[in-house]
Parts: sequence; structure tokens; C-alpha cells
Amino acid sequence: EAGVAQSPRYKIIEKRQSVAFWCNPISGHATLYWYQQILGQGPKLLIQFQNNGVVDDSQLPKDRFSAERLKGVDSTLKIQPAKLEDSAVYLCASSLDRWDRVEAFFGQGTRLTVV
Amino acid sequence: AQKVTQAQTEISVVEKEDVTLDCVYETRDTTYYLFWYKQPPSGELVFLIRRNSFDEQNEISGRYSWNFQKSTSSFNFTITASQVVDSAVYFCALSGTQGAQKLVFGQGTRLTINP
Repeated sequence: EAGVAQSPRYKIIEKRQSVAFWCNPISGHATLYWYQQILGQGPKLLIQFQNNGVVDDSQLPKDRFSAERLKGVDSTLKIQPAKLEDSAVYLCASSLDRWDRVEAFFGQGTRLTVV
Repeated sequence: AQKVTQAQTEISVVEKEDVTLDCVYETRDTTYYLFWYKQPPSGELVFLIRRNSFDEQNEISGRYSWNFQKSTSSFNFTITASQVVDSAVYFCALSGTQGAQKLVFGQGTRLTINP
């Protein structure tokens, strides 16, 4: 079974530029998450989708971050304009909607450096 | 609000020693899930275990064991006879069982196993 795919793996941009990340979850997983992990910290949830609907985006900085999940499968996360403090690893994860299989499986992440 | 505390920021031991990683959590939910993830230098978060709050049995998987104590809100992780390949950052996480079920992570413990 293929895991969660993310691209790109690395991205360097200047502040005020825009950037987009792509995620393809595990086939059949209804729930998709985007997490932000700043160096030395635990991952923080940015947004959670169930199928193509948003169930939690309370910690998403909506003035600059946006995300969508097309047709309940792939997802993109966009930052526009980027700030220096957005430098982090952006992790995508997915999970089944079953009470006995709630664990999330993560992709390798996209390391973003804003200079 | 949910919170996970991993008080040990870094641990360093010599190979073959046993090591325990501590995790303390806070939640108002009566039912919840607890998780441990491993993050090797490659960056991907690897799922290790899920524990339901109504199941307080300890679990052993090879050299890994987990001690869940609801009375002290702790979910500790022990590696027996540690190996260099166990070197990684380990995260404890918590989620509810209702609604969005977002994962809340601790700050992580960086474990270094020296040969």
C-alpha cells in the first residue's frame, strides 16, 4: 500500500512570495490533515478535512494560508504572502474513519525556508 | 483543552541500556486515544502505537513496551536493550474520540543511542 505522498520535499522562497504544497493521501482515507512543525517543536494542526469538507481550521492563519481538497482526494496548501516565521516542515497525514483505525499516517513533509 | 507534556527534551544513553520516555496528558474527554510516533532524521512521522482510554492493559512489542496509567494521566514508552537505530525524536499525542479527533502532540523527546 502506497503511503502519503507530498511534494516538493524542499522549497526556498523569499518573504512575500507565494508557495504551494501538494499532498496525495493513502487510498481510501477519508480524513486528511495538514500540520506545521517548527524546528524543535511538535507538529501543530493547521487544517483537517473529512472527504472534501473542512472539520477544523481553527489554527490556520487565514489571512495568508489557504487549503483545499479537490474531490475528497488530493489536497493543496498555499501560503501567500510568506513570512519568515513560516519557515517550517509542512506535514500531510491521512487516516481512515473507523473507530478501530484512527491513527494518522504521515508523509515525509515539505521543508520550507523563507529568506 | 487537550495538552500533552513530554518533560524530557533530550535523552542520551549507551547502546543496550533500557530507556523510558515519559508522557503526561490532560483532557476533559471521558474517552480518548493516545499515540506514540517516531521521527527519524528523514523527517517522516512513523506510527508506533495507539491506545484507547478504556483499555489500560500494558502492551509489549519486541523491545518496545508501553505503560498506560489513567490514574496519573501518563502513557510512558520504554525501549529495552536500546540500539543505535532507535535514535530519533519520539512524540506522544492525544486525540478525542468524538468530532474532529485532531491529534495534539507533545514537544517531543530527542533520543540518542550511543554505540
